[in-house]
Amino acid sequence: SQTIHQWPATLVQPVGSPLSLECTVEGTSNPNLYWYRQAAGRGLQLLFYSVGIGQISSEVPQNLSASRPQDRQFILSSKKLLLSDSGFYLCAWSDMGFNYGYTFGSGTRLTVV
Amino acid sequence: LAKTTQPISMDSYEGQEVNITCSHNNIATNDYITWYQQFPSQGPRFIIQGYKTKVTNEVASLFIPADRKSSTLSLPRVSLSDTAVYYCLVGDMEGSYIPTFGRGTSLIVHP
Repeated sequence: SQTIHQWPATLVQPVGSPLSLECTVEGTSNPNLYWYRQAAGRGLQLLFYSVGIGQISSEVPQNLSASRPQDRQFILSSKKLLLSDSGFYLCAWSDMGFNYGYTFGSGTRLTVV
Repeated sequence: LAKTTQPISMDSYEGQEVNITCSHNNIATNDYITWYQQFPSQGPRFIIQGYKTKVTNEVASLFIPADRKSSTLSLPRVSLSDTAVYYCLVGDMEGSYIPTFGRGTSLIVHP
């Protein structure tokens, strides 16, 4: 069966520090991968998605970036965090074409102080 | 893109049936309707998906009228553990666009 792993679960980082969140998927190949952010009391905001290795699409301009170095690995990064980057970050995967919806990871609670 | 509209919040009591309606007036022919449930500090999880008429699984039922401009998620006999945010998404199976999660409906079940 397919599983998605996301870490760390919580993270407290000072303003201006770098960020690296990692997400890996097991049990499938060539998945669509997504990074979402959820601010407190808000809906999910799509940040990046990828349909293949090295293919990244950005939905919202910001100081974050994403990379997909391997088929089932998706990384969210920042060189310098801002206070506004605080939130709940979720990684998700789907079959090619939204067949059965998204499967989400357990999320990372990021607090920038 | 098919935009969805849901109530922001709903309240219910244990044992009652809860119906959450989602409007999607400009749904496309190839679009499916999918509902997700999200507990605090967790990622959303898939509940049910349908195209037309009625779909039922062990968790919920999904009612879709003939014009498909709305859908209703029905949760039978809710319990406190059903307190969560429920999202309605509309998207096609081909993945030609990525559906958007709105704010969802925050359901609170009271004892």
